[in-house]
Amino acid sequence: DTAVSQTPKYLVTQMGNDKSIKCEQNLGHDTMYWYKQDSKKFLKIMFSYNNKELIINETVPNRFSPKSPDKAHLNLHINSLELGDSAVYFCASSQAQDPYNEQFFGPGTRLTVL
Amino acid sequence: QKEVEQDPGPLSVPEGAIVSLNCTYSDRGSQSFFWYRQYSGKSPELIMFIYSNGDKEDGRFTAQLNKASQYVSLLIRDSQPSDSATYLCAPRGGTSYGKLTFGQGTILTVHP
Repeated sequence: DTAVSQTPKYLVTQMGNDKSIKCEQNLGHDTMYWYKQDSKKFLKIMFSYNNKELIINETVPNRFSPKSPDKAHLNLHINSLELGDSAVYFCASSQAQDPYNEQFFGPGTRLTVL
Repeated sequence: QKEVEQDPGPLSVPEGAIVSLNCTYSDRGSQSFFWYRQYSGKSPELIMFIYSNGDKEDGRFTAQLNKASQYVSLLIRDSQPSDSATYLCAPRGGTSYGKLTFGQGTILTVHP
């Protein structure tokens, strides 16, 4: 199926650990995003890449490092995990970064930091 | 002032009711407006988008935009239990060209 996929779906880890979340889209889109949805369901953008180039970085702690090996993949690495990092992380993609393109979301990764 | 404001609800209505979900935004340069629906435990999915003043209808859903008042709404007619979800308003463009800025969302429950 054509879609935005993320792995893993669930991630439970201890404080201080380092973890990665992977995202892939096979929609042929140029732009990919990472969003964080906290416990109050507020969905906020973290990063955006356009053709492997970082274009949006929303004052996210530098413990979070996105990497885009190619335009179909956008991974998120998190160092020294903290309790406040517990959230659902959504990857999304769109045809381009202009204001009229729909963003398609992946299924989300629920991260729990103990 | 928040960039996007929505009444979080929760809003509970009987099946068949007409529901109006409202959203105000602060960035006058916003060019398009998206309504996403998010079922519990699922990812957001697009319902409608609008970029011109006035109404845009799609089945039971009508989006309404008033750029002068910086207000966008989503009207759901003949609401169904399957409409029970969180509805997210997201202006795009303006000073934040490439990104969607989501409101807090309105939780809607349609009971049979």
